[in-house]
Amino acid sequence: DAKTTQPNSMESNEEEPVHLPCNHSTISGTDYIHWYRQLPSQGPEYVIHGLTSNVNNRMASLAIAEDRKSSTLILHRATLRDAAVYYCILRVQGSSNTGKLIFGQGTTLQVKP
Amino acid sequence: DGGITQSPKYLFRKEGQNVTLSCEQNLNHDAMYWYRQDPGQGLRLIYYSQIVNDFQKGDIAEGYSVSREKKESFPLTVTSAQKNPTAFYLCASSILGRTGLRITEAFFGQGTRLTVV
Repeated sequence: DAKTTQPNSMESNEEEPVHLPCNHSTISGTDYIHWYRQLPSQGPEYVIHGLTSNVNNRMASLAIAEDRKSSTLILHRATLRDAAVYYCILRVQGSSNTGKLIFGQGTTLQVKP
Repeated sequence: DGGITQSPKYLFRKEGQNVTLSCEQNLNHDAMYWYRQDPGQGLRLIYYSQIVNDFQKGDIAEGYSVSREKKESFPLTVTSAQKNPTAFYLCASSILGRTGLRITEAFFGQGTRLTVV
């Protein structure tokens, strides 16, 4: 399974945009990039996913580099409720897909009022 | 409402005892997963199942057992062979993405916190 690398922690001010980076230099052509976040003592929550093109949804935007070796999760206006651990995960598509999610350490986002 | 339910939320076990954690989903998902999370760490995969009556070991299956007799249910048994069972256990489910089908997100339960006393 291809690996992802994220910074251990980041800080942001409330109401400001946040850019959470993820490196995945060994990504293969069938890997989708997924982002999840986990609040304390809760299960992870899906945020967004993409393959090649940038993606937007009500929670966030996902910017994917042209070579797909890195991506950035963008929270447009951070709120205190966005303070969580954010996981960048590669998920294999195709006939060998088991749907497994392989979690790394994630980035702990602190949002300051 | 559709969702995935884990029970109980907190569980205490005496050393040497087996204990079973429940996971039920009514999302009609093919695939179900069990993860373990230790303090300050990411999630590690214990077991997963893609279809009824079939399951595969994840990265840390030793000391655990599962069954998948029904599509909706995927219970995890923490056996006495698990040397360090105190952890936060998370169950998840998803549609199994096959070639040509859209990949969808996984849904997680709220977790069971197991403490060995």
